[in-house]
Amino acid sequence: DAKTTQPNSMESNEEEPVHLPCNHSTISGTDYIHWYRQLPSQGPEYVIHGLTSNVNNRMASLAIAEDRKSSTLILHRATLRDAAVYYCILRDTSGSRLTFGEGTQLTVNP
Amino acid sequence: NAGVTQTPKFRILKIGQSMTLQCAQDMNHNYMYWYRQDPGMGLKLIYYSVGAGITDKGEVPNGYNVSRSTTEDFPLRLELAAPSQTSVYFCASSSIHAWLRGNTEAFFGQGTRLTVV
Repeated sequence: DAKTTQPNSMESNEEEPVHLPCNHSTISGTDYIHWYRQLPSQGPEYVIHGLTSNVNNRMASLAIAEDRKSSTLILHRATLRDAAVYYCILRDTSGSRLTFGEGTQLTVNP
Repeated sequence: NAGVTQTPKFRILKIGQSMTLQCAQDMNHNYMYWYRQDPGMGLKLIYYSVGAGITDKGEVPNGYNVSRSTTEDFPLRLELAAPSQTSVYFCASSSIHAWLRGNTEAFFGQGTRLTVV
């Protein structure tokens, strides 16, 4: 699987936007970019995914660089409940493995 | 729908004992996964399965075995428990149909916290 690189930790204030970066310089043309998050003491949950175009859903937005070597997960207004570890994952539809890196620990300050 | 159900939620094992962690999903998903998560670390893939009768090793398979006799169930077996297997274990499933469209959304269970002493 192609590798992703994320900062170990980030901090934000409540009700401010948060931009979580992910570098994936070895991404291939068929790799989809997925984001998951893991709240304390819970299993991971899916957040969003995309291939080339920016994507929005009720939880977040995903901005993908034009060369696809990096992406950014955007939480428009952070809440205390958004404090979690966020994982950026690359997934090729030709395979079936799903592997996680170390992720980014997001702290949201009140 | 129950989603992905893991049992037990907690277990303490003595070194050398064996046990089976159960995982069941009711979403008719082809793909199922087992992960372990050590404190403060990310998830490591132990084994995965793309359908009944088919399993494959992940990143850290040593000390574990799996079977997939039905679409719904994917048990993880520890034969000779060691302290290094103290961890939280997560099972997950996803749909091959969604996968092939690029959506690998995986649904996770609540985890089994295992301590080996």
